[in-house]
Amino acid sequence: GAVVSQHPSWVICKSGTSVKIECRSLDFQATTMFWYRQFPKQSLMLMATSNEGSKATYEQGVEKDKFLINHASLTLSTLTVTSAHPEDSSFYICSAAGHFSGNTIYFGEGSWLTVV
Amino acid sequence: GESVGLHLPTLSVQEGDNSIINCAYSNSASDYFIWYKQESGKGPQFIIDIRSNMDKRQGQRVTVLLNKTVKHLSLQIAATQPGDSAVYFCAEIRTSYDKVIFGPGTSLSVIP
Repeated sequence: GAVVSQHPSWVICKSGTSVKIECRSLDFQATTMFWYRQFPKQSLMLMATSNEGSKATYEQGVEKDKFLINHASLTLSTLTVTSAHPEDSSFYICSAAGHFSGNTIYFGEGSWLTVV
Repeated sequence: GESVGLHLPTLSVQEGDNSIINCAYSNSASDYFIWYKQESGKGPQFIIDIRSNMDKRQGQRVTVLLNKTVKHLSLQIAATQPGDSAVYFCAEIRTSYDKVIFGPGTSLSVIP
């Protein structure tokens, strides 16, 4: 079946540094990728939707200059958390959709970010 | 998608019983629906999907029911097992993928 891979799974960074998280669709072309943030025991909060080759569409309240999203190819999207602060510590999850198995949306395994 | 940052409602079920998890969706233009299972510390895992031209779909031990009149979706799990303990989310989608909306999720706890 379709696989979406995220890297890294866990990352700890110092406050003020930037962190990049990658999301790859391994066996299908993802025309659309989504980035979410999830706090413990809460639902997924959509941050942005990205289509290959175009600018991401950010949800209200999400700072586009802080959370940089790039979807340079049909198999790769990246989320860069710039100038990270402890309040950015969270579980970040990507998902991808494409013309595979009825256009189902598949999720990555998520990336834990801890900012110290 | 949009979602609400509320603490999850919890459903406790005895092992072997059937579980029913409900979800109300908001957009009548949504034409595709997916149920996901999320275990602690992991990404959501696809369980079953249904399109708006259907009202029922069955998988292995799971059944999804769709009632478009009242915009309601349910997931039924037969003979619930301890391994079914997780958080379950429904997602409503327009197949143009311009919007994916998640329900708030339900935490299923299976009592051995």
